[in-house]
Amino acid sequence: DAGVTQSPTHLIKTRGQQVTLRCSPKSGHDTVSWYQQALGQGPQFIFQYYEEEERQRGNFPDRFSGHQYPNYSSELNVNALLLGDSALYLCASSRGPTGANQPQHFGDGTRLSIL
Amino acid sequence: AQSVTQLDSQVPVFEEAPVELRCNYSSSVSVYLFWYVQYPNQGLQLLLKYLSGSTLVKGINGFEAEFNKSQTSFHLRKPSVHISDTAEYFCAVLSTGGYQKVTFGTGTKLQVIP
Repeated sequence: DAGVTQSPTHLIKTRGQQVTLRCSPKSGHDTVSWYQQALGQGPQFIFQYYEEEERQRGNFPDRFSGHQYPNYSSELNVNALLLGDSALYLCASSRGPTGANQPQHFGDGTRLSIL
Repeated sequence: AQSVTQLDSQVPVFEEAPVELRCNYSSSVSVYLFWYVQYPNQGLQLLLKYLSGSTLVKGINGFEAEFNKSQTSFHLRKPSVHISDTAEYFCAVLSTGGYQKVTFGTGTKLQVIP
């Protein structure tokens, strides 16, 4: 039973570029959440997708956007990259968006470096 | 609003010694509480969670935590640590009800010394 899978593992971009990160949830899970983990920090909630809609959003600018597909997989898009966007981006999945099934099962993350 | 404070950024401890990692939270409503572990270059793995009921929660790898509502704490403990426990540990809180986001603490690095 595959857990949460994320791609790519590592990514290097330059300032101003755009990036797309991908996530496949654990089998049986229908909710995907994205987190940004800067070096030496805890994960910060970006947003959550359920039934192909953004249900909750953290304090991140509109440059951060996402999508969820009918098969529950999800993408995180970041436009106009800044140096401060360098971080580990974690995807987590759960069965349903609320309550005790949270927080979730996590993938190993995508390490994004901005030059 | 909710918040989590992990008071120690690093905790060194000798192998086979006991350890306690501290976590305090703030929330205006009832909460669920979680501890996660993160090994280098990996995602987070759930150690244990408190939802309701008994305030002493047992998790994987011999860890346990105690929920103290009056002190708004959820400290993680292990009676005897192993080298393999060297990792970063994150406390997290989720307010109950509705669509909610999880808030993580800044983490505590546990270094087990041989």
